[in-house]
Amino acid sequence: DIQMTQSPATLSASVGDRVTITCRASQSINNWLAWYQQKPGKAPKLLIYTASNLESGVPSRFSGSGSGTEFTLTISSLQPDDFATYYCQYYTSYSGTFGQGTKVEIK
Amino acid sequence: EVQLLESGGGLVQPGGSLRLSCAASGFTFSSYGMSWVRQAPGKGLEWVSGISGSGRSTDYVDSVKGRFTISRDNSQNTLVLQLNSLTAEDTAVYFCAKEKRDIGPRYFDLWGRGTRVTVSS
Repeated sequence: DIQMTQSPATLSASVGDRVTITCRASQSINNWLAWYQQKPGKAPKLLIYTASNLESGVPSRFSGSGSGTEFTLTISSLQPDDFATYYCQYYTSYSGTFGQGTKVEIK
Repeated sequence: EVQLLESGGGLVQPGGSLRLSCAASGFTFSSYGMSWVRQAPGKGLEWVSGISGSGRSTDYVDSVKGRFTISRDNSQNTLVLQLNSLTAEDTAVYFCAKEKRDIGPRYFDLWGRGTRVTVSS
């Protein structure tokens, strides 16, 4: 089975910072990767799909890149509403595997 | 309004059963695959099961195969997850999630608020 590993587990940043979260797959997954944002007690929200496609309605400060085994989610200028936990997800037509999450905290 | 609303969670003893439902509204339910994703307390997300728009194709994570059954009623815009032989490891919030197409890929553009399942004696 393919394993997804996110780093770091926790990230402390300030409003206005550029933030990068990395997701690594144990083997090549082409670009079958999505990113989600989850706030405490809430459902996840889709941000990015197919590694770099921005979901409709998501602010353009979010971007995704990568292919194969290494992927990144970048927030170009962190806003107060962005403090949350972020998950990557490898998906196929039959299943989905999430990373363990990265919590973005206020510095 | 486009939304998903889960129900049916609760406290159940080990070995017991529970039936979760998800009511969909605001979109053509039968045109999209659907999944259940769970989150144990303080933990990350785990995809549990998925079903195609027609209901003919179903998939499960290995840990629930033979114990959980996913189904859907397109006439009632309802997704169901039947949970049997429950263990403490099944304790989680269960989210209903909509896929972007009829048959995969399994990523999710709409989520419900979740229903909590607690397995404890």
